[in-house]
Amino acid sequence: ETGVTQSPTHLIKTRGQQVTLRCSSQSGHNTVSWYQQALGQGPQFIFQYYREEENGRGNFPPRFSGLQFPNYSSELNVNALELDDSALYLCASSSWTGFRVRNTEAFFGQGTRLTVV
Amino acid sequence: AQSVTQPDIHITVSEGASLELRCNYSYGATPYLFWYVQSPGQGLQLLLKYFSGDTLVQGIKGFEAEFKRSQSSFNLRKPSVHWSDAAEYFCAVVPGSSSASKIIFGSGTRLSIRP
Repeated sequence: ETGVTQSPTHLIKTRGQQVTLRCSSQSGHNTVSWYQQALGQGPQFIFQYYREEENGRGNFPPRFSGLQFPNYSSELNVNALELDDSALYLCASSSWTGFRVRNTEAFFGQGTRLTVV
Repeated sequence: AQSVTQPDIHITVSEGASLELRCNYSYGATPYLFWYVQSPGQGLQLLLKYFSGDTLVQGIKGFEAEFKRSQSSFNLRKPSVHWSDAAEYFCAVVPGSSSASKIIFGSGTRLSIRP
């Protein structure tokens, strides 16, 4: 098991509502990324946070937003939920210098399964 | 733009048989390549990674992968599969100017094991 924990594990929301997902990064890691994995698909990069600021974003609308806290934990917020937002949301943490990728790896949490009805 | 292609959606092999999962990438500079495995309802576990050096890399659970720059490929292999290897396998690339957690994944290959 990795040291990355996500909560909650499962969630059911109604279309139009807002949701907040949480992620605690592995000890010593300063970077957190979020991914959306629809059923039968590979994970899609949503965005990354480094030093409490967004540092890179995938092809997701602004209603997907996030935060990173001083302890490097993170939140993913999704507003105005749509049926297509139903997916497994994965959080990954890694250690980064802010420059080039190091010979290291990202560790993933178990994910939050979001169902929008 | 960077991309990863896994041409096989689903593969079935017999237990004890050899395995090769294909992966092709599109990336302009030196790629950092990974293979992840995902069991049903679980997160992702890293099998192996390539950053530089020897093009044949060894990973966990008896897996290996070979980086071939001329073919833009990073195929995953295992000489003898076990029933517990049944899972979804993802090839991935990380841009060199990013962190290790800014990952571009392929669409995955589902591996089934025939008893």
